Amino acid sequence: AQSVTQLGSHVSVSEGALVLLRCNYSSSVPPYLFWYVQYPNQGLQLLLKYTTGATLVKGINGFEAEFKKSETSFHLTKPSAHMSDAAEYFCAVWISGYALNFGKGTSLLVTP
Amino acid sequence: DAGVTQSPTHLIKTRGQQVTLRCSPKSGHDTVSWYQQALGQGPQFIFQYYEEEERQRGNFPDRFSGHQFPNYSSELNVNALLLGDSALYLCASSLAPSSYNEQFFGPGTRLTVL
Repeated sequence: AQSVTQLGSHVSVSEGALVLLRCNYSSSVPPYLFWYVQYPNQGLQLLLKYTTGATLVKGINGFEAEFKKSETSFHLTKPSAHMSDAAEYFCAVWISGYALNFGKGTSLLVTP
Repeated sequence: DAGVTQSPTHLIKTRGQQVTLRCSPKSGHDTVSWYQQALGQGPQFIFQYYEEEERQRGNFPDRFSGHQFPNYSSELNVNALLLGDSALYLCASSLAPSSYNEQFFGPGTRLTVL
C-alpha cells in the first residue's frame, strides 16, 4: 500500500529561519507525491507536486521539495519563514491513481 | 470562478440521526471525491464519483453513501450517526479521475455529533 509518514507533528521556527518539514513515503511503484497546506477553518491548497521528471519541485509561496528515491523522502523546505506560513501542512501520495493518502500533518508555528 | 463550494459550513446532529452534505465542483470539473478529516488527523478518502457513479471507495462502512447529479454536484449522506463521525468533511473536484489532474478542495463542512 502507498503511504506517507510525516516526522514531527509540530515544528516551530523563527521568522526568517529555514523551514524544513519531513515526509517519507512507502510505495511499491513510482509515487506521485504532494504537499498541501491548510489554514485555519479552510480547505486544502496544493503547494507542489512531484509526478515524474525533475526531482526538485518548486511550488507556490517560495516552497520547494526534493524527491529522493534512495531515502524515500519528499521533504518540504522554504529558505526564510514568514509569519503567514503558520498553518497545517500535509504530505500525500496517490493511491492507485484515483485518490490521495495523506499523512497526519505537521503544524508549523512561526515566532517573531 | 467560484471554486469548490460546500454547504452547510457547520452542522450539529445527535447520534442515530442522518445527515446530507453538499458539494459543487469547480467549474469544468466532472469528478468529485469526499474525504473525512478527524481532529488532529489527515484527511481520509471516503469515495469518488464520476459520471454519476461511485468509482472508488475507501475503508468506510455502508452508512456512508453518496450521489452525483448530472450537473456534477454531489451529496454525501451518513446514516445512523455515531460520535466518531464528528469531523471536517472535505469535498475535492478534478477533471476526470486521473492522478495527473489536481484535486481542488472546498472549505469543508464541520459535522459535530452529540
